[in-house]
Amino acid sequence: DQQVKQNSPSLSVQEGRISILNCDYTNSMFDYFLWYKKYPAEGPTFLISISSIKDKNEDGRFTVFLNKSAKHLSLHIVPSQPGDSAVYFCAASDDGSSNTGKLIFGQGTTLQVKP
Amino acid sequence: GAVVSQHPSWVICKSGTSVKIECRSLDFQATTMFWYRQFPKQSLMLMATSNEGSKATYEQGVEKDKFLINHASLTLSTLTVTSAHPEDSSFYICSARGLPGTGGLFGQPQHFGDGTRLSIL
Repeated sequence: DQQVKQNSPSLSVQEGRISILNCDYTNSMFDYFLWYKKYPAEGPTFLISISSIKDKNEDGRFTVFLNKSAKHLSLHIVPSQPGDSAVYFCAASDDGSSNTGKLIFGQGTTLQVKP
Repeated sequence: GAVVSQHPSWVICKSGTSVKIECRSLDFQATTMFWYRQFPKQSLMLMATSNEGSKATYEQGVEKDKFLINHASLTLSTLTVTSAHPEDSSFYICSARGLPGTGGLFGQPQHFGDGTRLSIL
């Protein structure tokens, strides 16, 4: 049972344009969502998070949008840069209620930003 | 800040060997550390949650006698793969979360080590 889904395995965009990565979830108890970036043979690096009490969080070039009714979140990167090329993982947690800190990860989307 | 060090980064050993992987939070204290496993082109699968000073909580399907976890201090957790076999070959990644209350309502995000590539011959 895949509770967090990233249906696009890959995405290619031109440098300077917007990258939009999508993530869907099924568990309505999730209340904390994170995006991680991962390079090969390295661990994931935390990018940005959002709690369920918000619908948008922005940090520099990265913005995460949350649509609770649709159980959908997205990560916008603008402008995209070649160094953004990596695998992006969406993760979710019901930490607000369970406080276990457990994260459920999506399958990842490989982003390629072309110069 | 929020650096997690994982060691070793790469291990090749013979079948039947036990392998220990260390996970350290270098600049923060972590009551909770997590161990994940990742197969090629797949997501990170949580194996167990490690709490300082108590027994680890294993996810369904993970053999606790096979994957021994020790979390003796607020900055160190170890995963020992006992009597490793080729099917245990994988990429193992640990993460650590800061102390509760240090990051707002939902605490700190998990910060990950760089992983350990384990190859069992």
